[in-house]
Amino acid sequence: EVQLVESGGGVVRPGGSLRLSCAASGFTFDDYGMSWVRQAPGKGLEWVSGINWNGGSTGYADSVKGRFTISRDNAKNSLYLQMNSLRAEDTALYHCARDGEYCSGGSCFRAFDIWGQGTMVTVSS
Amino acid sequence: DIVMTQSPDSLAVSLGERATINCKSSQSVLYSSNNKNYLAWYQQKPGQPPKLLIYWASTRESGVPDRFSGSGSGTDFTLTISSLQAEDVAVYYCQQYYSTPPTFTFGPGTKVDIK
Repeated sequence: EVQLVESGGGVVRPGGSLRLSCAASGFTFDDYGMSWVRQAPGKGLEWVSGINWNGGSTGYADSVKGRFTISRDNAKNSLYLQMNSLRAEDTALYHCARDGEYCSGGSCFRAFDIWGQGTMVTVSS
Repeated sequence: DIVMTQSPDSLAVSLGERATINCKSSQSVLYSSNNKNYLAWYQQKPGQPPKLLIYWASTRESGVPDRFSGSGSGTDFTLTISSLQAEDVAVYYCQQYYSTPPTFTFGPGTKVDIK
């Protein structure tokens, strides 16, 4: 069964740090790019960060650039998100998601075809 | 940056009736290199992660019922549920992908309920 399981969430004070993990199973992990997508309580979806199959290319939303770092360990089938200088507005459910690639004519569209249940991060004093 | 908007914010439809959700992009998401629209639709049921329904604006993901269909091109897109079922109660999101640099932007969501 294809599965993504997140861990590492919790309650942290503003300015603090947290490291999220995502364990992948049921597919060849290093065939895929991966992303983190968050959802604040009662709100919509926000892409946070993405990484390509070998970790050589990463991207970040402007809201987290310079504070969050995405990484992966293909030997452990794991994705990570190091979150520093956390703010109240970072409070959200953080989902790990697989980047499905849909290619045509040498160009590829990416969408999130597999999602984890998420891990909750609460930033509060 | 590309901004995605959706309308309406919510709608209530009778069982078996049609539901229509609109999504608009601030810039065209049509890629001339392959004539594909880089737009996806997701369904999120309460307490669950989102589920990919449609990519390339109109191609259903494997296993998605054919009552779900996507249409549109350029900046204006529509998700249609042809005959609403009870299990379709959810929030629906559109999403665009821009490749350089890689970024993903979601619409704000449309909540679908039973009337």
